[in-house]
Order: sequence, then structure tokens, then C-alpha cells
Amino acid sequence: QQPVQSPQAVILREGEDAVINCSSSKALYSVHWYRQKHGEAPVFLMILLKGGEQKGHEKISASFNEKKQQSSLYLTASQLSYSGTYFCGTEETSGSRLTFGEGTQLTVNP
Amino acid sequence: KAGVTQTPRYLIKTRGQQVTLSCSPISGHRSVSWYQQTPGQGLQFLFEYFSETQRNKGNFPGRFSGRQFSNSRSEMNVSTLELGDSALYLCASSLVSGRTEAFFGQGTRLTVV
Repeated sequence: QQPVQSPQAVILREGEDAVINCSSSKALYSVHWYRQKHGEAPVFLMILLKGGEQKGHEKISASFNEKKQQSSLYLTASQLSYSGTYFCGTEETSGSRLTFGEGTQLTVNP
Repeated sequence: KAGVTQTPRYLIKTRGQQVTLSCSPISGHRSVSWYQQTPGQGLQFLFEYFSETQRNKGNFPGRFSGRQFSNSRSEMNVSTLELGDSALYLCASSLVSGRTEAFFGQGTRLTVV
């Protein structure tokens, strides 16, 4: 079951904040976040395991609400280098495959 | 350590032909997953192999198949190519699929004409 991401696209000015949401209709074991720049491979940002732990990575952090099967990625004080397409990947408790959403295109302008 | 290597990087094939793509995972990784990426469709899961066994398969026709060798290298085969198979095919390796971070290769860009 493919997770649903929102918004599909967001445009920011440098220094602004953004939130990207990911939700699933299935019980999840883990949520992964990746960023893909144009013409490059997706790059791992962070993984959140069942337990609702919030993780941080410099100015990028994420939360996982396992009861609601939702995760959010928080980007604060955005930088030009944050531009790219963000994918959430989910693993259901019943399986071992990582299924990705359709992605959120983030553009940070000067 | 060396990353995930996919070969070839680019391919142009004619409808009806078949193609084989290769993926060498990071040393020590036993899980290899394959994804098809097309504009607006995100990353569509094809299949996942772990220790030479296919553990999961996505919703793709039987023309798409794969295998994994004892050294964890994986191949993906598409037979009777269709125009709609044109896409970027990515493989990802991990210690344990879904439970640990996945490392993606640069992908193989397949164009079917």
C-alpha cells in the first residue's frame, strides 16, 4: 500500500520553514525519509521506527505517530541545498518491503 | 566503502526486445530491492531479494523478473519490452530491507523506442 504524501509541491524562500506529511492506511513498523536531487539517486535522511520517536538531522527533523500511521518531516530555516524531491518510504508491520510515496517537490529560492 | 553500482547507466531498446539490468550492492548487504521511477509516479516497488530469495513482489506483470546471486549481486530482466517500460530503474541495497537505511544506485535509464 503506497503511502500518501502532502503537499505535492512547495516553494519556499531561503530561511522559511516547511512540513511534509506522509500517511498510510496500514499499520507501520518504520518510516524512512529520502531526498532526491534532479538527476541523482535518492539519499537517505532518516528512519523512524515504531515507538513514536522524533529524530533530528541538523535542521531537518521528523516525527512518527504510529497510532495514526503518520509521519511528518520538518525543515527549518531552509537552505538552497534543501531543494529536491522528498520521498517517504514505509514498511508495514506485516512485511519487509519499503514502499514509497509519490514524492514532494521542494524548491527553495534565494 | 564502495556504493551501489548499477550497470549499464543508459540503455535504448526496441519494442519487443528484452533487457537485463545489473546491481551490485554494498559489501555485506544481503537485501536488494528494485524500483521503477517515472515522472509523477514516484518510486514503484518491483521486487526485493534477500539471500537469493525473492521475498516481496510488486504489482508488475510477469515480464518483469529478477534474481540474486550468492554474492548478493542482483539482476532484473524485462522481456517483450513496451514503450511504457521506459523509466529510470533504481536498485537499493540494505542490511535488512525496511528495517535499516537503504542505499540507492545511480540507476539505469531505459528508453524503449
